[in-house]
Amino acid sequence: NAGVTQTPKFQVLKTGQSMTLQCAQDMNHEYMSWYRQDPGMGLRLIHYSVGAGITDQGEVPNGYNVSRSTTEDFPLRLLSAAPSQTSVYFCASSRTGTGGNEAFFGQGTRLTVV
Amino acid sequence: ILNVEQSPQSLHVQEGDSTNFTCSFPSSNFYALHWYRWETAKSPEALFVMTLNGDEKKKGRISATLNTKEGYSYLYIKGSQPEDSATYLCALGAGSYQLTFGKGTKLSVIP
Repeated sequence: NAGVTQTPKFQVLKTGQSMTLQCAQDMNHEYMSWYRQDPGMGLRLIHYSVGAGITDQGEVPNGYNVSRSTTEDFPLRLLSAAPSQTSVYFCASSRTGTGGNEAFFGQGTRLTVV
Repeated sequence: ILNVEQSPQSLHVQEGDSTNFTCSFPSSNFYALHWYRWETAKSPEALFVMTLNGDEKKKGRISATLNTKEGYSYLYIKGSQPEDSATYLCALGAGSYQLTFGKGTKLSVIP
């Protein structure tokens, strides 16, 4: 019963480095999304995908890229890490668009950029 | 950017007390209202998804109501237990593809 799996759980990057946060779901969900959680703020949507080959920007997309080549996987790429990207990142999936369907969240990735 | 407000930000209750929280949202473009329970070091888990004005949902000792015309939802916990300690998030779906989350209400239940 894997659900949504995120890797890694923790990561420390130096400013300017790039990396990819991995997200995979085994529920055949169409919709996948990435959020970031910062102290004193609600979860904010970075990017989302409504199906393989289709992605779109959320509220805070700058500095991040995504792609969706398969239904199962939705990686998030940081192109050139900045201290402002220090955050906890959550991947989520739902059967269709999250408006009317509950979201299933991964365990989160705690990223620190120094 | 939609504004979803949750109150209070935090509260402490004694074991056995009943409590409730509020989620306020703009009533225009309403599609769905979600409640999630988020325990420390875990991931948020869905409690309820409500779409109809007047909806009431219940799961054990936890229940929620929805008023889409005035833009609010209440979450109730009856007879709080220490294991209810968590942050409770509400999220507004306005249109199919995005959820806007509130900042959450952090509940601590004192044994």
